[in-house]
Amino acid sequence: AQSVTQLGSHVSVSEGALVLLRCNYSSSVPPYLFWYVQYPNQGLQLLLKYTTGATLVKGINGFEAEFKKSETSFHLTKPSAHMSDAAEYFCAVSDMSGNQFYFGTGTSLTVIP
Amino acid sequence: DTAVSQTPKYLVTQMGNDKSIKCEQNLGHDTMYWYKQDSKKFLKIMFSYNNKELIINETVPNRFSPKSPDKAHLNLHINSLELGDSAVYFCASSFQGNEQFFGPGTRLTVL
Repeated sequence: AQSVTQLGSHVSVSEGALVLLRCNYSSSVPPYLFWYVQYPNQGLQLLLKYTTGATLVKGINGFEAEFKKSETSFHLTKPSAHMSDAAEYFCAVSDMSGNQFYFGTGTSLTVIP
Repeated sequence: DTAVSQTPKYLVTQMGNDKSIKCEQNLGHDTMYWYKQDSKKFLKIMFSYNNKELIINETVPNRFSPKSPDKAHLNLHINSLELGDSAVYFCASSFQGNEQFFGPGTRLTVL
């Protein structure tokens, strides 16, 4: 069985500050891990993903995430927040077959000018 | 070219009516999904289809029924609509466990 936990349903940062959105997962098999972003009134868009290989994954818009197996974590970071980063962020986990795909409950990011 | 498309974008209807939402993907993916997103942004998977077989069916009311005429389409039929069905419904598709591509969503309002 798999599950995803996103700590903090709301996160606020100042413009230019570090963004850190937390995601922990539980999985009985090596997982695929994803971060999605949802801007207001839009669908979900893939930010980045981890399948195999390098554990530090770079995505779009300056975001990156690191897969830490020992901590069962896949936290999302960005060195400097921009106003346009304000959105809802979802962490997700799947098995390799795609038959099991789970989303976290989401984290709403607010960027303060 | 739109990868995953849904129609309609907005749907306003009365309680008790029957409605359908259509979804098409042109990515050649083998699995399609339907999600319900409530007002708190929580995403709940409703159904998925892999090669025309239902492989996930969460505990949704049987008033909801997915229909897949082919690998590129997964339509959602809803009978006897209720107030609680008001939400945004997203269609998505994926290939062999990789990332899901989402449609723009259908905002359903039941009056």
